[in-house]
Amino acid sequence: EAAVTQSPRNKVTVTGGNVTLSCRQTNSHNYMYWYRQDTGHGLRLIHYSYGAGNLQIGDVPDGYKATRTTQEDFFLLLELASPSQTSLYFCASREDRGNERLFFGHGTKLSVL
Amino acid sequence: QQQVRQSSQSLTVWEGETAILNCSYENSAFDYFPWYQQFPGEGPALLIAIRSVSDKKEDGRFTIFFNKREKNLSLHIKDSQPGDSATYFCAASAPSGSWQLIFGSGTQLTVMP
Repeated sequence: EAAVTQSPRNKVTVTGGNVTLSCRQTNSHNYMYWYRQDTGHGLRLIHYSYGAGNLQIGDVPDGYKATRTTQEDFFLLLELASPSQTSLYFCASREDRGNERLFFGHGTKLSVL
Repeated sequence: QQQVRQSSQSLTVWEGETAILNCSYENSAFDYFPWYQQFPGEGPALLIAIRSVSDKKEDGRFTIFFNKREKNLSLHIKDSQPGDSATYFCAASAPSGSWQLIFGSGTQLTVMP
């Protein structure tokens, strides 16, 4: 079973704060994704990547940056956090084209006060 | 504008009943439709999936019925158990170089003992 590890599990910051969410997968998957989950909206794609150094914009990218430093590591950056970014964030990975199964981490609950 | 819509935010059934979760979509190009199951405190996990060339997919107690003409599908959970209590997300994707999985807003299922 593919393993995706997110850290931290919980994070509280203030408006205007700087936050980095981390995700590591150890399954040599090429594709990695950042989603946010909000009641009434389900999971919405923020950014994704198909390899180290690659970055693609998702459906709700405003206010977020991302960086894929290695095949294993994908980071989500909130440089000026706002209360509207209070959410549950999930990282996911996928092996490659032709295999559409996503493997999710346990999530990071972020609160912006 | 939601591309994938789940009509019920919540559903309650009794143990042993068949739970029916509905989903509809707008994009005719969608050809892959997974259902993800999420328990509290965990990330979503793939439960069952269907491709648009099929009208039914069965896996144990879980069955997807798919209607391409009407652009809707449903997940049937036969002989529901309290352990099936979870949030279920319908999702869809289209064949594309920049593959993305679009999620519905989720249905929270409660199975009463």
